Amino acid sequence: QVQLQESGPGLVKPSQTLSLTCTVSGGSVNSGSFYWSWIRQPAGKGLEWIGHIYTTGTTNYNPSLKSRVTISVDTSKNHFSLKLNSLTAADTAVYYCARLPVAIRRGLYYFYGMDVWGQGTTVTVSS
Amino acid sequence: EIVLTQSPGILSLSPGERATLSCRASQSFSSSYLAWYQQKPGQAPRLLIYGASNRATGIPDRFSASGSGTDFTLTISRLEPEDFAVYYCQHYGSSLTFGPGTKVDIK
Repeated sequence: QVQLQESGPGLVKPSQTLSLTCTVSGGSVNSGSFYWSWIRQPAGKGLEWIGHIYTTGTTNYNPSLKSRVTISVDTSKNHFSLKLNSLTAADTAVYYCARLPVAIRRGLYYFYGMDVWGQGTTVTVSS
Repeated sequence: EIVLTQSPGILSLSPGERATLSCRASQSFSSSYLAWYQQKPGQAPRLLIYGASNRATGIPDRFSASGSGTDFTLTISRLEPEDFAVYYCQHYGSSLTFGPGTKVDIK
């Protein structure tokens, strides 16, 4: 059974870069057909998709965050990572990683929902 | 980018009652690209439904969903105590978006 675990600093200063890692256990980050995703949730608010990386390394980002986000995969460590720069207090949130299975048939994409989630890690941006 | 609107914002019901949650999109899209999630306080979201109407593994059959175009519905036939939570719809497209959520709380 695949499990995901986020790790990273709980406190980051404004203007700095946040680096988070999502470690995949019980499966391989470079096998199958998955979008490995990052989502965040400010306290008391809804979910915001940050972006994802496909098994082949192709990335897609939320347009509102695209200029500040990088998602990458390290197959040797079986994890994928999030970097978010130029932090402000508005980036304070619980950050989740998740797996999104996808099938591509005859050029069409079929999504099967974000079926595995990490427990989330709280990030506070404050001086 | 497709914007999702969920209604009502809060749904106050008693255990055993039927819950009907709505998700409306700013543009029409294939029902294959809609999912529903449940989130309880302090927990990660849990996948309930994908492809607008397919229950995820282990989801009880009291949860059902339907819809097409711009209007989608999640129904909980008889609320159990563990069903009181926040529910989000999600669209997959060139960009992924979540609705703002519907909180189902105990009346």
